Amino acid sequence: DIQMAQSPSSLSASVGDRVTITCRASQSISNYLNWYQQKPGKAPKVLIYAASSLQSGVPSRFSGSGSGTDFTLTISSLQPEDFATYYCQQNYRTPWTFGQGTKVEIK
Amino acid sequence: QVTLKESGPALVKPTQTLTLTCTFSGFSLSTSDMRVSWIRQPPGKALEWLARIDWDGDKFYSTSLKTRLTISRDTSKNQVVLTMTNMDPVDTATYYCARTTYYYGSESYYYWFDPWGQGTLVTVSS
Repeated sequence: DIQMAQSPSSLSASVGDRVTITCRASQSISNYLNWYQQKPGKAPKVLIYAASSLQSGVPSRFSGSGSGTDFTLTISSLQPEDFATYYCQQNYRTPWTFGQGTKVEIK
Repeated sequence: QVTLKESGPALVKPTQTLTLTCTFSGFSLSTSDMRVSWIRQPPGKALEWLARIDWDGDKFYSTSLKTRLTISRDTSKNQVVLTMTNMDPVDTATYYCARTTYYYGSESYYYWFDPWGQGTLVTVSS
């Protein structure tokens, strides 16, 4: 199975901050990488697919980059509604796998 | 509008078999390129993909759980069913179903989960 490792596990940031979350795959997955946002008690919501494509309706402050084994999710200016947990997920090969999550908290 | 909703028991005993049903609307699993997945999340922990079933009947499973899982569909009822045998307290989790959406670009298929159901919490305890 392909292992996905996210860093950091958690971070504290202020409204307006630029935030970057990293995801690393245990082998090359090209650009078969998705990012999800999950708020407490809610189902996850897709933000980015194919490493850098913004899902319809997602604010443009979210962006994704990377290819191969290293990927990043960037929030250009953190908003109050962005405090949540973020997960990466590879769809290069089944079984599909998720990272362990990054919790973004208010500073 | 695509919606999915999970249903099943909230409490199961160790060693029992869990049966969960995902009832969806807004698409048909008999239509080409439609897929539905199950994902779970133990309390306070990460997401874990469990299984997927495709419009053509193909099935895919988590490596670690494949001996315990069976996914099936009833296209006439717009339902996907997941069974998990030999339940253990470590299987306590919120279980989600989600449509597996795709994009075809650069001669490749890209898949992601959208939308998700609301999830159903299953507790395994005697």
